[in-house]
Amino acid sequence: QKEVEQDPGPLSVPEGAIVSLNCTYSNSAFQYFMWYRQYSRKGPELLMYTYSSGNKEDGRFTAQVDKSSKYISLFIRDSQPSDSATYLCAMRDDKIIFGKGTRLHILP
Amino acid sequence: DTAVSQTPKYLVTQMGNDKSIKCEQNLGHDTMYWYKQDSKKFLKIMFSYNNKELIINETVPNRFSPKSPDKAHLNLHINSLELGDSAVYFCASRDGNTEAFFGQGTRLTVV
Repeated sequence: QKEVEQDPGPLSVPEGAIVSLNCTYSNSAFQYFMWYRQYSRKGPELLMYTYSSGNKEDGRFTAQVDKSSKYISLFIRDSQPSDSATYLCAMRDDKIIFGKGTRLHILP
Repeated sequence: DTAVSQTPKYLVTQMGNDKSIKCEQNLGHDTMYWYKQDSKKFLKIMFSYNNKELIINETVPNRFSPKSPDKAHLNLHINSLELGDSAVYFCASRDGNTEAFFGQGTRLTVV
């Protein structure tokens, strides 16, 4: 099993919909969980980070971590065309391990 | 102000050449990384340095040699470039209180 699993998509949803992005992982030592957003031909941009289990909300974005299930989620409310990008989950112990990224398209 | 800057942004070169990519961060971070992103967008760690010391060296060919002259710089030198080295290379930095900030990437094309 890979350390971090993420469905590559693409995922297409209409504008205004709630988007749910997910990752699973195998290493129970991970304590720090991040979501990065990457636009085409740009570097990954840190969107959200969470320590251990729980929820974190920032504007239209909510990150959830369930360590018991080794499952993390990112929810985007009221999705906008500008949210169209690749979303990468990442986890850290002594190094940062990334998922393969999910390509998201928000349809106007 | 650019937090993590890489040069060059684009690099096209022939097989067998030697090339370098430079990275500088002005965030005062202690840890810097090199990542490789392949055509399928998978970001894979190559190296990690903490205060100029190598702490992570993933399974990377010896043709790749990182150098950190000070904690604000981490350069990547690649010898005898091969077609399979074509990718986007990202530099990143972090300290104990933050998560990683990435540069804009260097798109390397080996022809």
